Amino acid sequence: GEDVEQSLFLSVREGDSSVINCTYTDSSSTYLYWYKQEPGAGLQLLTYIFSNMDMKQDQRLTVLLNKKDKHLSLRIADTQTGDSAIYFCAESSNDYKLSFGAGTTVTVRA
Amino acid sequence: DTAVSQTPKYLVTQMGNDKSIKCEQNLGHDTMYWYKQDSKKFLKIMFSYNNKELIINETVPNRFSPKSPDKAHLNLHINSLELGDSAVYFCASSVRGGGYTFGSGTRLTVV
Repeated sequence: GEDVEQSLFLSVREGDSSVINCTYTDSSSTYLYWYKQEPGAGLQLLTYIFSNMDMKQDQRLTVLLNKKDKHLSLRIADTQTGDSAIYFCAESSNDYKLSFGAGTTVTVRA
Repeated sequence: DTAVSQTPKYLVTQMGNDKSIKCEQNLGHDTMYWYKQDSKKFLKIMFSYNNKELIINETVPNRFSPKSPDKAHLNLHINSLELGDSAVYFCASSVRGGGYTFGSGTRLTVV
């Protein structure tokens, strides 16, 4: 989407950390999300962060938010082959619409 | 015990036909959505309903008509199907201040 941008591809070696970056334009965004989509499957909510937070950690996942720069990142520690998927960044500035980025395809190589 | 379920999972149909996709959620959410994912994996909102009331209609052709008989259901009816309607359609639901839960998608192929 034009309001949310993310790089299209990331290749990472198994065991390394992955960092997926996202920028958004809407300064009134209240929630920011990361979704994972495996081939042929639906969208799985990985984590989300409220705009007044700057970091959230959940097991191998760390979300960093720089509200001033409107930059969101998702770090996956100890990346595994099962982490290969498309990762979507999304933002919500009202209760009735979620705007998605184009998705980052993460490929984990042995 | 599926949270957001949509049927059918796959739909292959000829141009010009009319088809429906059904969606049900058992999460008690008051807002439901339809999203379209195109061949490039881009996701775009089509409609959102809050308490059975249409809130967002994102310039979707009027061949697409959503219907929400109650808070737990949001169906999508498509008239006069065109080749360009081929996509994966996702239903979702949410509660205010929470994450959105998506169904597993309906892959529509128009031939």
